Amino acid sequence: DQQVKQNSPSLSVQEGRISILNCDYTNSMFDYFLWYKKYPAEGPTFLISISSIKDKNEDGRFTVFLNKSAKHLSLHIVPSQPGDSAVYFCAAEKTSGSRLTFGEGTQLTVNP
Amino acid sequence: DSGVTQTPKHLITATGQRVTLRCSPRSGDLSVYWYQQSLDQGLQFLIQYYNGEERAKGNILERFSAQQFPDLHSELNLSPLELGDSALYFCASSRQGLSTGELFFGEGSRLTVL
Repeated sequence: DQQVKQNSPSLSVQEGRISILNCDYTNSMFDYFLWYKKYPAEGPTFLISISSIKDKNEDGRFTVFLNKSAKHLSLHIVPSQPGDSAVYFCAAEKTSGSRLTFGEGTQLTVNP
Repeated sequence: DSGVTQTPKHLITATGQRVTLRCSPRSGDLSVYWYQQSLDQGLQFLIQYYNGEERAKGNILERFSAQQFPDLHSELNLSPLELGDSALYFCASSRQGLSTGELFFGEGSRLTVL
């Protein structure tokens, strides 16, 4: 049972344009959501998060949007840079719990 | 550098064998988590330890076992190995017992079972 799904295995965008990565979840108990970025031969690193009491959180070029009714979140990167090329994982948790549930990841490629 | 150290980085072994993966958490972190990433799949939660005690269990097979030692390092044992165990195994740590969201991951141990 895949409770967090990233339906796009890959995404390619031009430098300077917007990258939009999508994530859907099925468990209505999730109340905290995160994005992690992973470069080859490295472990995932935390990028940005959002609590279920908000619908938007912004940090520099990165913005995460949460649509609770649709059980959908998205990560916007504006403007995209070649250094953003990485695998992006969406993750969710219940703050009363003790684990993160991850999606399958989306490979973002930003072309110069 | 996340501060989480995993060894070995790469390991090639045969079916039926036993391997031990080791993780040293960030200084001061009491919780250790193990995740498995198989080909084209997300990170699957295996198990969590907090200050030496098992705190949560996920999709960990009975052939696998783990523990956290008094110095807070953790080991994941896999035996007997099967072909399907080939994967990247990540260790992560956090300050608190409950996940506060931000986990710090090691670089992973890539296990290949032939």
